[in-house]
Amino acid sequence: KNEVEQSPQNLTAQEGEFITINCSYSVGISALHWLQQHPGGGIVSLFMLSSGKKKHGRLIATINIQEKHSSLHITASHPRDSAVYICALRTSGSRLTFGEGTQLTVNP
Amino acid sequence: DARVTQTPRHKVTEMGQEVTMRCQPILGHNTVFWYRQTMMQGLELLAYFRNRAPLDDSGMPKDRFSAEMPDATLATLKIQPSEPRDSAVYFCASASLAGAYNEQFFGPGTRLTVL
Repeated sequence: KNEVEQSPQNLTAQEGEFITINCSYSVGISALHWLQQHPGGGIVSLFMLSSGKKKHGRLIATINIQEKHSSLHITASHPRDSAVYICALRTSGSRLTFGEGTQLTVNP
Repeated sequence: DARVTQTPRHKVTEMGQEVTMRCQPILGHNTVFWYRQTMMQGLELLAYFRNRAPLDDSGMPKDRFSAEMPDATLATLKIQPSEPRDSAVYFCASASLAGAYNEQFFGPGTRLTVL
């Protein structure tokens, strides 16, 4: 479990704020995933990164392989962004190791 | 609208009973994963298959859990006998090996409660 650490564990923001969630890891990886889990429990894959940056709508994910660090940014946050965001490492083969998640609450 | 389906969505059973969970991966995906999520442990990989062959089941308690893929459209996870500590949400996910880095698509999960 210490192979991947997310911060913060909990985050509360006001609608419209810029949000950053961090993921640090200590092992070699072939890719890093950001997942979103809504209160209903469903899990959606947001990004899969091996280098650089990816953007989808208001979501941006970056990764620095040398520093073993990734960030997920949400611009102009909205209450519907409230969810748990999970960082997952792809290590050997297709195996994923998951972070503990960041609970994000965006208030109107 | 391609998606991973799982049945049942909810299961309540008594300790000692056999539980079977089913997953239908997205058509054409050749890699299937079983995950378990609990409050204490978070998400954990139990096992995964590629082209129906088990590749890694090191996360799965071997004495009571078994995972199979009888065909390309069905993956099963069985617990026999079930115990209260098996209570969790079990997710299935599937992926295609078309590229080097493969997005996983998750099913809605089976919420298991063992009394």
